[in-house]
Amino acid sequence: AQSVSQHNHHVILSEAASLELGCNYSYGGTVNLFWYVQYPGQHLQLLLKYFSGDPLVKGIKGFEAEFIKSKFSFNLRKPSVQWSDTAEYFCAVRGSGGYQKVTFGTGTKLQVIP
Amino acid sequence: DSGVTQTPKHLITATGQRVTLRCSPRSGDLSVYWYQQSLDQGLQFLIQYYNGEERAKGNILERFSAQQFPDLHSELNLSSLELGDSALYFCASSVVPESRTGNTIYFGEGSWLTVV
Repeated sequence: AQSVSQHNHHVILSEAASLELGCNYSYGGTVNLFWYVQYPGQHLQLLLKYFSGDPLVKGIKGFEAEFIKSKFSFNLRKPSVQWSDTAEYFCAVRGSGGYQKVTFGTGTKLQVIP
Repeated sequence: DSGVTQTPKHLITATGQRVTLRCSPRSGDLSVYWYQQSLDQGLQFLIQYYNGEERAKGNILERFSAQQFPDLHSELNLSSLELGDSALYFCASSVVPESRTGNTIYFGEGSWLTVV
């Protein structure tokens, strides 16, 4: 069965600090990987995704993630966070191909202090 | 705006009652997913439909059921409600192509259910 682990449940950073949120997955095959963000009072939005190719994926708002197959990881990074990045971040995995369900991690709450 | 529409946005109901949550997928999307987000369990996959048929089932309780109609909208029915069912219920949709290329899932804004 596929699973996703986000080990950091709550992260507090000051503005301009660098961010790295961990995501590890378990799946016995080729995967598609996603990071979603949920800003306060809003719905989930796609930050970035990895399907194939370059393992370093760039997303919106200056976020990037690196797929390391040997470590089953897809960590999210941003060199300098802003107060507006305060949100909850979800990592998700899905087996590639059609009809595959998506498994989400439990989310990481990021609080950025001005 | 993701293009996925969920109604109602907020719902307060009493224990033991039954409610129906509705989802209209993005135009052209054939697959609908339902997720539950509660404070202590994070985001949990409930069930997936593709073109009217159930495709995958997750941690969906026996008291819950769903269906996808010919016009592709979906309904999630929650019955014999308990306090612990209070949560944000998300609907999502995707194209789910036949090919092995990936596709993106788009989420609605969610329906807040409060059971009192």
